[in-house]
Amino acid sequence: ETGVTQTPRHLVMGMTNKKSLKCEQHLGHNAMYWYKQSAKKPLELMFVYNFKEQTENNSVPSRFSPECPNSSHLFLHLHTLQPEDSALYLCASSQDQSEAFFGQGTRLTVV
Amino acid sequence: GEDVEQSLFLSVREGDSSVINCTYTDSSSTYLYWYKQEPGAGLQLLTYIFSNMDMKQDQRLTVLLNKKDKHLSLRIADTQTGDSAIYFCAESPNYGQNFVFGPGTRLSVLP
Repeated sequence: ETGVTQTPRHLVMGMTNKKSLKCEQHLGHNAMYWYKQSAKKPLELMFVYNFKEQTENNSVPSRFSPECPNSSHLFLHLHTLQPEDSALYLCASSQDQSEAFFGQGTRLTVV
Repeated sequence: GEDVEQSLFLSVREGDSSVINCTYTDSSSTYLYWYKQEPGAGLQLLTYIFSNMDMKQDQRLTVLLNKKDKHLSLRIADTQTGDSAIYFCAESPNYGQNFVFGPGTRLSVLP
């Protein structure tokens, strides 16, 4: 148990579907992150939230829409995805200068 | 931009020492990390080192940092089959944020 919980663990969706990934942290951290891990690429940072405010968006397509309603929860809303968006999506949290704690990830397959 | 590089594969015999190497380009990196990813799991922080240190030891793990050459290594003593995983090097130039990860080194431990 890492203190960062992601649901669902696996998701298969069609290109016309709308789905959401959920991340919850019980560590009292003030920053949360979404990362994408594709099979043939290094881990890519997608979004950063500090104190519920988005502070970074690394040129992520608008078909990915993050939401951070409070400092413990982070969502990634997905719509009209492409097959190349299939990847492992990792959520992480950290407190200022401390190390990041990662969830187990959601394995997403777009068909 | 920042870049972190690692060799992609490493094979060792059980009981031998493993050394996983990493190079980075950002001279302002404050923290350097080693994460482990086992099959089907999220990232697990193994250890980290501040940029003003040159060595850190934690049980079977030894981290060496050569700041002049921007080279980080992870040595695993008495490598076991349970150490088989992907090991990610990461650097964080800003106080616990904006992690930049390497592509990961897949460590295979042979019996």
